Amino acid sequence: QKEVEQNSGPLSVPEGAIASLNCTYSDRGSQSFFWYRQYSGKSPELIMSIYSNGDKEDGRFTAQLNKASQYVSLLIRDSQPSDSATYLCAVNGAGNNRLAFGKGNQVVVIP
Amino acid sequence: DTAVSQTPKYLVTQMGNDKSIKCEQNLGHDTMYWYKQDSKKFLKIMFSYNNKELIINETVPNRFSPKSPDKAHLNLHINSLELGDSAVYFCASSQGTSNQPQHFGDGTRLSIL
Repeated sequence: QKEVEQNSGPLSVPEGAIASLNCTYSDRGSQSFFWYRQYSGKSPELIMSIYSNGDKEDGRFTAQLNKASQYVSLLIRDSQPSDSATYLCAVNGAGNNRLAFGKGNQVVVIP
Repeated sequence: DTAVSQTPKYLVTQMGNDKSIKCEQNLGHDTMYWYKQDSKKFLKIMFSYNNKELIINETVPNRFSPKSPDKAHLNLHINSLELGDSAVYFCASSQGTSNQPQHFGDGTRLSIL
């Protein structure tokens, strides 16, 4: 089982709709969870971090964490064409210094 | 005012050559990392240094040798380059080693001919 899994294929959403991305992780003791956005040919950019169960909102982004079910999700409200990118889920395991990344989900916002 | 800067941005070279990539951060962070992102866009940790001490050394060929002269700099030297080394290499930094988010440089695109 991969440490961090993002299984959905490319996600196409119309402009103004909600984009929903999911991520599961294998290390039950994981403490820190991050979502990064990566535009094509660019570096990963941190957009959200979450450490405790529940929702965390920042502008149009909401991260949701459920440690019991070992998943973390990202919602993008009022999607804009500028949100078209690959979104990487990253998880820091318990007792180690490594940040494990999922393979990413590509989001395409259609005007 | 680039926070994490890498040089060079592009590196095109032939198999068998030796090359280095440099990284510097001005965020005051004490931990730095090297990642490799392959053609499938999977981002994988290679090395990490905390205050000049090696703390993460993943299963990487010993042709790859990191060096941290101080906590603001982390360089990567690669000997005897192979075709499979073609990838984008990202430097990153964070404050502390466990729960803090990491900030990435712009990447170095390495192409082996």
